[in-house]
Amino acid sequence: QVQVVQSGAEVKKPGASVKVSCKASGYTFTSYDINWVRQATGQGLEWMGWMNPNSGNTGYAQKFQGRVTMTRDTSISTAYMELSSLRSEDTAVYYCAIPGPLTYDPSGYYPFDYWGQGTLVTVSS
Amino acid sequence: EIVLTQSPGTLSLSPGERATLSCRASQSVSRSYLAWYQQKPGQAPRLLIYVASSRATGIPDRFSGSGSGTDFTLTISRLEPEDFAVYYCQQYDTSPTFGQGTRLEIK
Repeated sequence: QVQVVQSGAEVKKPGASVKVSCKASGYTFTSYDINWVRQATGQGLEWMGWMNPNSGNTGYAQKFQGRVTMTRDTSISTAYMELSSLRSEDTAVYYCAIPGPLTYDPSGYYPFDYWGQGTLVTVSS
Repeated sequence: EIVLTQSPGTLSLSPGERATLSCRASQSVSRSYLAWYQQKPGQAPRLLIYVASSRATGIPDRFSGSGSGTDFTLTISRLEPEDFAVYYCQQYDTSPTFGQGTRLEIK
């Protein structure tokens, strides 16, 4: 079965960068895009962008353009999300989210069948 | 950007009752590319419904979705204790956006 495991919690100072990892197993890693969604404490969900693990192509939400970078290492079936110039408003749980075979559309967008457990990133001086 | 507005913000019901949650889009969601998720405290969201009315794998048939265009509904026919949670809608017709959530609490 599909498993998605993220790296542990991080505490960063304002202006720093954070890199969160997402290791997927139970399927062919290059088959489906990896997306990132974040959730501030007590708030709703916010989509950040996608990455195609096969090509490395990415697409970012306009809000995060210039500050987010999504990469992967196919040899270890792991995706990464790096967010730079951190500010207090970036304090949130960050999730990687993956579509499934019934929902995936490589030419468009899709819902997310599989989620990591979330990584809390705290930005504080 | 398509803005999704969910109502009500909080819904208080008892086990065994029927729940009706609404999601309204600021513009038409073509191909009914609308999904619903359930989230419990400390957990990641769980996909319930996609393409407005298709149940995801393993989702009980007491969950159903309907709607098209700008108005969508998630119905839970008979509430079980484990159904009390926060529910989000998501559109994926364009760059994905989520509603602000409906909290379903025990009355």
